[in-house]
Amino acid sequence: GENVEQHPSTLSVQEGDSAVIKCTYSDSASNYFPWYKQELGKRPQLIIDIRSNVGEKKDQRIAVTLNKTAKHFSLHITETQPEDSAVYFCAAMSAGGTSYGKLTFGQGTILTVHP
Amino acid sequence: DTAVSQTPKYLVTQMGNDKSIKCEQNLGHDTMYWYKQDSKKFLKIMFSYNNKELIINETVPNRFSPKSPDKAHLNLHINSLELGDSAVYFCASSPAGLLRGYTFGSGTRLTVV
Repeated sequence: GENVEQHPSTLSVQEGDSAVIKCTYSDSASNYFPWYKQELGKRPQLIIDIRSNVGEKKDQRIAVTLNKTAKHFSLHITETQPEDSAVYFCAAMSAGGTSYGKLTFGQGTILTVHP
Repeated sequence: DTAVSQTPKYLVTQMGNDKSIKCEQNLGHDTMYWYKQDSKKFLKIMFSYNNKELIINETVPNRFSPKSPDKAHLNLHINSLELGDSAVYFCASSPAGLLRGYTFGSGTRLTVV
């Protein structure tokens, strides 16, 4: 089955700096890669996603890149703000067999933005 | 209106008891899921239903039994609760077809004492 590895597990930055979170996946058939933000005590919320036919996608201060050959995708947050502090999860969606439509999540990254 | 709602939000119970968590979505989605988030925040899928039909059943003890009376509801019943069942359980839903993100419920924090 799919395995998603996420790094780093914790990330601490100063307000205004950039933050980068990296993920690798194992199943070459996976073709959809969402990122979720989870604030303390809240539900995970979708912040951006990318499909396998696209290499990069941007939405204001956040961007995601995908390298299908290397089975690697990353989240980039620019001009970080204290309200960006949360746990971020990457995920990969399986496309075939008994795991059809299943999202496998990375282990999460605790991002702390210091004012 | 809450898109995916779970009840209860908190559940504290003793070992050996049986409990249920309910989930309802008003998004018209065809697929619903149960995920378990442990103390290290890891999110792991437990079950997936598509139009009331079970399509994913991960390696979950038989004490956990999902039930989907219709495509808008997916409930989780847990028998003989154990200390290790303590976690946050999230329900989620997604539209039909691939390449769509999930919408999560607000979670149920289960504490077994």
